[in-house]
Amino acid sequence: TQLLEQSPQFLSIQEGENLTVYCNSSSVFSSLQWYRQEPGEGPVLLVTVVTGGEVKKLKRLTFQFGDARKDSSLHITAAQPGDTGLYLCAGAGAGGTSYGKLTFGQGTILTVHP
Amino acid sequence: EADIYQTPRYLVIGTGKKITLECSQTMGHDKMYWYQQDPGMELHLIHYSYGVNSTEKGDLSSESTVSRIRTEHFPLTLESARPSHTSQYLCASSEGGTSGGRETQYFGPGTRLLVL
Repeated sequence: TQLLEQSPQFLSIQEGENLTVYCNSSSVFSSLQWYRQEPGEGPVLLVTVVTGGEVKKLKRLTFQFGDARKDSSLHITAAQPGDTGLYLCAGAGAGGTSYGKLTFGQGTILTVHP
Repeated sequence: EADIYQTPRYLVIGTGKKITLECSQTMGHDKMYWYQQDPGMELHLIHYSYGVNSTEKGDLSSESTVSRIRTEHFPLTLESARPSHTSQYLCASSEGGTSGGRETQYFGPGTRLLVL
């Protein structure tokens, strides 16, 4: 079983602050995805990282995949109330029986206050 | 925008009833998945399918069953609902192929189930 530990579980900050969410595992993943979920809706994909050390930017969001492909981070600069939601990391295995399946982290509930 | 639909969105039902949660996608995706999620928590895979007539149990044991008779349809059935089944059930789909899990999973809005 490939486990993903996500931290922190809860994050409550003021508008304009920066934050980082971490996703760690002892297992190697072929790729790692970050999703955002709003209340009453399903998760929506933000980004997929596939190469060790890869950094991707999506406006104020920066995603990084660890060199060993075991961990990832999501950094948000100057958070806004619209960033509020549940952020989930999800790792895809190296193929075989886990082909196509994702293992999800516990999620980080982010609240950005105006 | 994802074209994956789930009905009902909300369901309140008594113990012992049989229920079917519907999931349909119009994207022609081969792979479909059912997840169980408690509020604000991680998703647990309970069933998946790689195509018509293919169904597998996921990582989390579930008393539910699924079928995949048509590509676009992946219903989940509980023969006898219990309070322990109260949760949110999310359906997802993704393209087939050899991308090794890198493909995007598109999620439906979910069904919130409450068993009394």
